[in-house]
Amino acid sequence: KQEVTQIPAALSVPEGENLVLNCSFTDSAIYNLQWFRQDPGKGLTSLLLIQSSQREQTSGRLNASLDKSSGRSTLYIAASQPGDSATYLCAVGDHGLTFGKGTHLIIQP
Amino acid sequence: EPEVTQTPSHQVTQMGQEVILRCVPISNHLYFYWYRQILGQKVEFLVSFYNNEISEKSEIFDDQFSVERPDGSNFTLKIRSTKLEDSAMYFCASRPLTSASYNEQFFGPGTRLTVL
Repeated sequence: KQEVTQIPAALSVPEGENLVLNCSFTDSAIYNLQWFRQDPGKGLTSLLLIQSSQREQTSGRLNASLDKSSGRSTLYIAASQPGDSATYLCAVGDHGLTFGKGTHLIIQP
Repeated sequence: EPEVTQTPSHQVTQMGQEVILRCVPISNHLYFYWYRQILGQKVEFLVSFYNNEISEKSEIFDDQFSVERPDGSNFTLKIRSTKLEDSAMYFCASRPLTSASYNEQFFGPGTRLTVL
């Protein structure tokens, strides 16, 4: 059974810092890995999708990498802004996604 | 930009009552999903639906749950006899069949279900 773990559980940093969020999964036979953002009481906003044949994806200040052999993905956020404050979720799977508990990120102005 | 919509945003019901949660997936998407998130816990997969039938379901999705696409645009989740532990945020998601990132799932804003 696939298990997804995200570290750290919470992170608070000053505005402008570059930061890395980590995601690990137990079964490396994954189809896709998707990073989401969740604001309090809101739905999930898709940030990046990495398909199993890919190593990384970039969108603006976000870069996500995937290392299937080690069962890890990282989400890199450059030049963080207060508006980046949210919970970031990692999910793996084909149709039924398996989610981690997320990293609660606070960017201090 | 097209988005998944869900109604109602909040539903309060009595234990034992039936509830129907509604979703309108993104037009031209062909895969549909329901997930739930109990307060403070992980998002959990319930069911996937394609070509008018269930393609995959989790162990959570027991006989109390059913899904339907009644009219070609709506996608519904029915809980026949709600229990206190069904209280959660329920998310609908959809996915296109073909596109540059065809595996990407797009989520709706959720319906918060409170069972009293």
